[in-house]
Amino acid sequence: AQSVTQLDSQVPVFEEAPVELRCNYSSSVSVYLFWYVQYPNQGLQLLLKYLSGSTLVESINGFEAEFNKSQTSFHLRKPSVHISDTAEYFCAVSDRYTGGFKTIFGAGTRLFVKA
Amino acid sequence: EAGVTQFPSHSVIEKGQTVTLRCDPISGHDNLYWYRRVMGKEIKFLLHFVKESKQDESGMPNNRFLAERTGGTYSTLKVQPAELEDSGVYFCASKEGNTGELFFGEGSRLTVL
Repeated sequence: AQSVTQLDSQVPVFEEAPVELRCNYSSSVSVYLFWYVQYPNQGLQLLLKYLSGSTLVESINGFEAEFNKSQTSFHLRKPSVHISDTAEYFCAVSDRYTGGFKTIFGAGTRLFVKA
Repeated sequence: EAGVTQFPSHSVIEKGQTVTLRCDPISGHDNLYWYRRVMGKEIKFLLHFVKESKQDESGMPNNRFLAERTGGTYSTLKVQPAELEDSGVYFCASKEGNTGELFFGEGSRLTVL
């Protein structure tokens, strides 16, 4: 069975500092990997995804994540955060065995960006 | 184009009462999902519809929960009778194919007293 572990429940960081939000997954088959973000009082929205090809994927607002198959990880990074990045971030996985239809989420990491 | 909408945004009920949550997916999305998040824990999968058929309901907690999607459009999730542990935020999401992104509603917060 699939599972997703987000190792940090909260990450406080100062503005313009780098940040890494950690995500590990377990699955016995090939996977699709996602990061979703939830801003206050909004629904979750896709930040970036890995389906195949290059293991490094990027979002339009400067986040990137790297699929590491040997470590079963998909950590999210940003070299310099902004106040507006304050949100909750969810790592998610779906597997090719189920055709990618069932997506499993982690418990979320709250990112607090301080001035 | 309208996104996924959920109603109500917040519901407060007594233990033993019934609540029905509604989700309107994005038009044309055959896949509709219900998830639940309890007090800062993971967003837990409940079930998956393809059009009006239940494709996977392995995450439904027990038979007090009933989901329907008549006509393959909107979906309802009924909890009857509600228990304290049913409190949480219920998210609905929809998507077109299998590798596309999930589009989420803002969630329905259920509080059972």
